[in-house]
This record gives sequence, C-alpha cells and structure tokens, in this order.
Amino acid sequence: DQQVKQNSPSLSVQEGRISILNCDYTNSMFDYFLWYKKYPAEGPTFLISISSIKDKNEDGRFTVFLNKSAKHLSLHIVPSQPGDSAVYFCAASARTASGGSYIPTFGRGTSLIVHP
Amino acid sequence: NAGVTQTPKFRILKIGQSMTLQCTQDMNHNYMYWYRQDPGMGLKLIYYSVGAGITDKGEVPNGYNVSRSTTEDFPLRLELAAPSQTSVYFCASRIGQALPIDYGYTFGSGTRLTVV
Repeated sequence: DQQVKQNSPSLSVQEGRISILNCDYTNSMFDYFLWYKKYPAEGPTFLISISSIKDKNEDGRFTVFLNKSAKHLSLHIVPSQPGDSAVYFCAASARTASGGSYIPTFGRGTSLIVHP
Repeated sequence: NAGVTQTPKFRILKIGQSMTLQCTQDMNHNYMYWYRQDPGMGLKLIYYSVGAGITDKGEVPNGYNVSRSTTEDFPLRLELAAPSQTSVYFCASRIGQALPIDYGYTFGSGTRLTVV
C-alpha cells in the first residue's frame, strides 16, 4: 500500500508557464516532506522541503505547498525552463519509533517535460 | 569534495552469483542508506546505518547484507543474485541529526544491476 502517491506519471508544460506537481500521502504521522529531482543516469538531488508546521516554503522558482487536512502537497515551478525536465520524487518522513532518524518514504515520481 | 561515490556503474550478474556494491562518502556524514529503484517505482529502502558499526533493515532487506566498519564506507552485498534483484541501486548519505534540520540526502549516481 503506497503511503506516498504521485498519481501523474508525467506532465508536459510549455517553457515560461507554471508546472504543478502533486503528491498525496496517507500516513498522518508524516511531518516532514521533501522533493527530489532526478536526471537520467544520475542520482536524485534534493530540491526543497517543508515541515508540517508550515504550509508554504519558497526557494527561487520553486515553491512547495502543504495542505495537512487534505494530506496533499504540491510543487510549483514558475517559470518553467527546459532544464527543469526531469523526474520529480515526492518524499515524506516521520520520526522513527526510536525517536531517531527521519527516513523518507518516496513516491513513484512524475516525469516533467518542459518544451521550449 | 566528491560527495557519494558508487562503483560499479553497471554490472550484469548470473543467477546465483554474488557481488558487492561499493559506496563511499567524503562528507563525514553519519547516516548512510541503500535504496533500490525498480522501473516506474519509487525508491525503496534496503538497509541503513546511523554510524560506524550500526546497521538496520529497511523496507526490502531480503537477499542483501551490509556492513559499516568506517564512517566513509557502506558496501551492499548480494550473496545469491536473483532476477528479482535487477534494479538500479542508490547509495545516499546525510549528516543525520534527530531533528531533520539537515534534511535532504546526498545521493550517489547509482549502480544499474541486471541479473540474468
């Protein structure tokens, strides 16, 4: 049973427009959320994160929104650029039972294509 | 500063063979992780380590073993390769504090393993 769901396998956007990538989660214990970006033949790279005490976090062209009541988060990229074309993974984490490391659960990813 | 280095990048194994996937990081990170990514799927945690001498199972540990004799190295061992272990394997590390203020993994570029 997927605890982190990215229901859109792919998204196609025109350069300069907004890209919105969505993510839903089921575990109410998740309190920290991350987005990773992955190019082919490379490892994922950390993009942006948000704690459950916030509903928005912005970093340049990237903004993550969190709606805890809906268990939904989204990543907005404005304006989209061809170099943003990659697979984007949503991840959510909760403190482990031992109170130690946050270990993320990853979604299946959404492939974003930004057309020039 | 090389980050997280994985070797080899590609490998083809025959059923029943064994091999070790190497992972080393030069960032003095305490926490290290092994993930596998199957086609169209998210990353699934195999094993992780919170420091030298300490390892723990993740979501999909069967068929794998790990060791952590130094802070820098976290090798993943496959003893009897099976076709179900065909996947891309990613090693990751992070500073690792109880609170996720350090958030974000640093991933290696992956090892693509095919078992035939």
